[in-house]
Amino acid sequence: KAGVTQTPRYLIKTRGQQVTLSCSPISGHRSVSWYQQTPGQGLQFLFEYFSETQRNKGNFPGRFSGRQFSNSRSEMNVSTLELGDSALYLCASSLDRQETQYFGPGTRLLVL
Amino acid sequence: GENVEQHPSTLSVQEGDSAVIKCTYSDSASNYFPWYKQELGKGPQLIIDIRSNVGEKKDQRIAVTLNKTAKHFSLHITETQPEDSAVYFCAASFDDYKLSFGAGTTVTVRA
Repeated sequence: KAGVTQTPRYLIKTRGQQVTLSCSPISGHRSVSWYQQTPGQGLQFLFEYFSETQRNKGNFPGRFSGRQFSNSRSEMNVSTLELGDSALYLCASSLDRQETQYFGPGTRLLVL
Repeated sequence: GENVEQHPSTLSVQEGDSAVIKCTYSDSASNYFPWYKQELGKGPQLIIDIRSNVGEKKDQRIAVTLNKTAKHFSLHITETQPEDSAVYFCAASFDDYKLSFGAGTTVTVRA
């Protein structure tokens, strides 16, 4: 079974721009979670989607948003990029809330 | 919210020796404790997990122990090999979907 895939793998943007990242979960998985990984803050939970509904959100500003489609694929969007948004953005999928999360390779975003 | 502390931040071991990483958590409601291994340029890979109704779990050279009373859990790697060199993260959660991670331990296995 194919793992979690994320596109693009690398991205360079400038301050003020917006960016959309995509995540395709493992086939059959309906829950998708997003995490931000930085050297200073480590791995931090952004939000989780299940059946196209956001079930929980981490402590991030409203510039960070996401959505999930009927095929469970998910996108996250960051508007008005700041230098501090440079990070590895990781997507994880699971069958449901009580199941193990499997991570994708991440999208590395650099904001200049 | 949940706060997970992980120690040590770096660990260097001789090939064949054991490695132990310890984590403590703050929320007594947490009931799921996975461990992830992250290699350079890759996403975290689940290596073992344990739920609160179990005190210990083993998978070949890897074992995890959980002490719910003390709110700490540990990862044990025996007979370490060079391919065990990576960053290891512990995590804790109540509902599984929202993982709170430790800061990570960089493990180096010396040949």
